[in-house]
Amino acid sequence: DAKTTQPNSMESNEEEPVHLPCNHSTISGTDYIHWYRQLPSQGPEYVIHGLTSNVNNRMASLAIAEDRKSSTLILHRATLRDAAVYYCILRATGNQFYFGTGTSLTVIP
Amino acid sequence: DAGVTQSPTHLIKTRGQHVTLRCSPISGHKSVSWYQQVLGQGPQFIFQYYEKEERGRGNFPDRFSARQFPNYSSELNVNALLLGDSALYLCASSLDPGGGTEAFFGQGTRLTVV
Repeated sequence: DAKTTQPNSMESNEEEPVHLPCNHSTISGTDYIHWYRQLPSQGPEYVIHGLTSNVNNRMASLAIAEDRKSSTLILHRATLRDAAVYYCILRATGNQFYFGTGTSLTVIP
Repeated sequence: DAGVTQSPTHLIKTRGQHVTLRCSPISGHKSVSWYQQVLGQGPQFIFQYYEKEERGRGNFPDRFSARQFPNYSSELNVNALLLGDSALYLCASSLDPGGGTEAFFGQGTRLTVV
């Protein structure tokens, strides 16, 4: 099972951009990179995913390294509602999501 | 649109009892997965079903079982409950088990074993 490594915690000031890193040096060619976030007492929420190219959606951007061994989730302007645990997950077709311990993001007003 | 619904939301059981947790996926979704989340940790995979067939099983004892019905809803059963089974049980649904397919999670069932 491909593993990911994330910092345990990060802080950001409100309305500042946030860059959440993830290392996945054992990624295989068929693994998609997914990001989910989880607020306390709620189920995980989809944020974004990609395979090789950078991706943008209304919530965030995903920057994928050329060798795909790392990626960065970018929140362009952090709000207090973005405070959550962010999980970086690798998933191949037919496989389940393997969550690590994630990064706990604190947003400072 | 209704999201993934799980029932019950909270449950208290005694050691040795049996429990059944239920999940209704988003309409049109044929894949359902179950996860266990112990306090302070990330969700751990238990089962994956697609088109009513088991497609994957995590490292959980045989006390854990599941099934998917013709309408794609699913049940997770746990027998002979232990204190360590206390956790948030999450259900996720997706269109298919493709690697590039996003999953939608329910709010979970909080199981407390006393």
